[in-house]
Amino acid sequence: GAVVSQHPSRVICKSGTSVKIECRSLDFQATTMFWYRQFPKQSLMLMATSNEGSKATYEQGVEKDKFLINHASLTLSTLTVTSAHPEDSSFYICSAREGMDSPLHFGNGTRLTVT
Amino acid sequence: AQSVTQLGSHVSVSEGALVLLRCNYSSSVPPYLFWYVQYPNQGLQLLLKYTSAATLVKGINGFEAEFKKSETSFHLTKPSAHMSDAAEYFCAVRVNTGGFKTIFGAGTRLFVKA
Repeated sequence: GAVVSQHPSRVICKSGTSVKIECRSLDFQATTMFWYRQFPKQSLMLMATSNEGSKATYEQGVEKDKFLINHASLTLSTLTVTSAHPEDSSFYICSAREGMDSPLHFGNGTRLTVT
Repeated sequence: AQSVTQLGSHVSVSEGALVLLRCNYSSSVPPYLFWYVQYPNQGLQLLLKYTSAATLVKGINGFEAEFKKSETSFHLTKPSAHMSDAAEYFCAVRVNTGGFKTIFGAGTRLFVKA
């Protein structure tokens, strides 16, 4: 089946530094990737939608300059949390799909802790 | 706006008992509905989906869900719970707001007692 690899699975960084999270589709071409944020014991909140080769579309309330998304190829999207602060600590999950009607495939998530 | 509501943030059942996780949707158009399962510190795995074909949808791991338009419901069931079913379950709906996106319910944590 389709596999989405998300890396790293865990990262601890100091306040003020930037962190990059990668999301790769291993055996299919992901025309669209989604980034979610999940707080403890809560649901997934969609942060942004990225289509290959174009700018990401951010959900209302998500800071574009804070969460930089790049979808440079059909198999890779990256989320960079810039100047991270403790309140950015969360579980970030990516998902990818091949086409409009294709199923979503999820990465295993990245646990970000900002100290 | 299309959305899903999951009734009950926690459900506890005994091993071997029926599992029933509730989900109601709101949609002005025929919805695409999904159930996902999430194990601790992992991403989501699709259990099953409804795409306007058969109203009773069978998924993986013995789960199934029935789409009931009259009740705007899409409840998830499993006849006999197993310890390995303990996880977080999310009902979701696909919406089209200038592109297809998936919106998730708040989730229901299933506990299975020995």
